[in-house]
Amino acid sequence: EVLLVESGGGLVQPGGSLRLSCAASGFTVSSTYMSWVRQAPGKGLEWVSVIYSDVTGGSRHYADSVKGRFTISRDNSKNTLYLQMNSLRAEDTAVYYCARAQGVGGTYYFDYWGQGTLVTVSS
Amino acid sequence: DIVVTQSPDSLALSLGERATINCKSSQSLLYSANNKNYLGWYQQKPGQPPKLLIYWASTRESGVPDRFSGSGSGTDFSLTISSLQAEDVAVYYCQQYYGTPVTFGQGTKVEIK
Repeated sequence: EVLLVESGGGLVQPGGSLRLSCAASGFTVSSTYMSWVRQAPGKGLEWVSVIYSDVTGGSRHYADSVKGRFTISRDNSKNTLYLQMNSLRAEDTAVYYCARAQGVGGTYYFDYWGQGTLVTVSS
Repeated sequence: DIVVTQSPDSLALSLGERATINCKSSQSLLYSANNKNYLGWYQQKPGQPPKLLIYWASTRESGVPDRFSGSGSGTDFSLTISSLQAEDVAVYYCQQYYGTPVTFGQGTKVEIK
């Protein structure tokens, strides 16, 4: 059974940092595309970042809104995905979902989602 | 970026009625090399993460009830619930994966009248 469990969310001040984790089971994170998608309170879904599978090069891509501030990574030995978030802004406040992505060339859709972890950026 | 726009923003129907949600893309999502439309549909119930219903515009994900169906090609797509059930109350999102970044529609809220 595929399972994704996020952790690491919380309240942080503007300009602060946070690292989200997503522990995966039932599959290997290195063998598939993995992504972060966020949802601001009462709003729709916004793709944040993706890391490609090892066999397709492991490249990383980011939404313009987080480029230069967020870093996606994974630890294959722990089968865990991460999102390092720096220079956080109020507009980064959202539930952050970890999602497994079915890669199709350089693009993808999301077939499994975690329950999400809430990040609140406020003073 | 490719913009996908859903309509309506919300709809309220009686149990057993047919629900249709539309999704229009700012450019074609049909890749001629494989004749596939790069569009998916998700269901998000209150307090839950999204769940994949449909991919390739019309392929139902395993375990999804057959009252859910996807159709369309190019720039115009639809998600149809043939007979609305109480458990179908949710927000539905379309997502294009033809171009990067992948983008979602704004969502359509489905309620029971």
